[in-house]
Amino acid sequence: DTAVSQTPKYLVTQMGNDKSIKCEQNLGHDTMYWYKQDSKKFLKIMFSYNNKELIINETVPNRFSPKSPDKAHLNLHINSLELGDSAVYFCASSPSDRGRSEKLFFGSGTQLSVL
Amino acid sequence: DAKTTQPTSMDCAEGRAANLPCNHSTISGNEYVYWYRQIHSQGPQYIIHGLKNNETNEMASLIITEDRKSSTLILPHATLRDTAVYYCIVRARGSNYKLTFGKGTLLTVNP
Repeated sequence: DTAVSQTPKYLVTQMGNDKSIKCEQNLGHDTMYWYKQDSKKFLKIMFSYNNKELIINETVPNRFSPKSPDKAHLNLHINSLELGDSAVYFCASSPSDRGRSEKLFFGSGTQLSVL
Repeated sequence: DAKTTQPTSMDCAEGRAANLPCNHSTISGNEYVYWYRQIHSQGPQYIIHGLKNNETNEMASLIITEDRKSSTLILPHATLRDTAVYYCIVRARGSNYKLTFGKGTLLTVNP
């Protein structure tokens, strides 16, 4: 069973569209994250949620809105997609309270291409 | 969080030990050294972490110098599947809960 699963794996869309990426973890972890890896391969944190509460928001444009219906899910909704949003988006989770754990478990990524 | 410096790339022969260096000369006393790796087209994977003592687990060993200004990740018997980008990250526990990834070292294990 996949521990952290993201869907879809690939997403190709036009500029201006709205899209969502879903993430689920079956590890029973308290904290979930979204990271963005751009074309230069830099991996940057976007958001972190602990028990459905937002604890990190790294100055991401408000077109990006994470939603956590329960602690096992952290979805990423993106409005008015722009060319610069093209990247690989990784979901991750960690087991301990408020992200203090050193071990993050990552999903396999969603490759978003905005045309 | 302290900045880390790693070589851009390294090569290793299959079956030999791979020694990946990391410089973190500005590390502070409460900061840990973490290692993750990212195999092509996959998400990053936790390998090991340490504060000042050497650490070993089923994946690798971490050697931290006495002054803590540098460390080495050792893969004792590298296989082709160990080809990946290896990230050395320094972070204080209980800080702002985020891992900041740098450019890492691309390790290529050759047959």
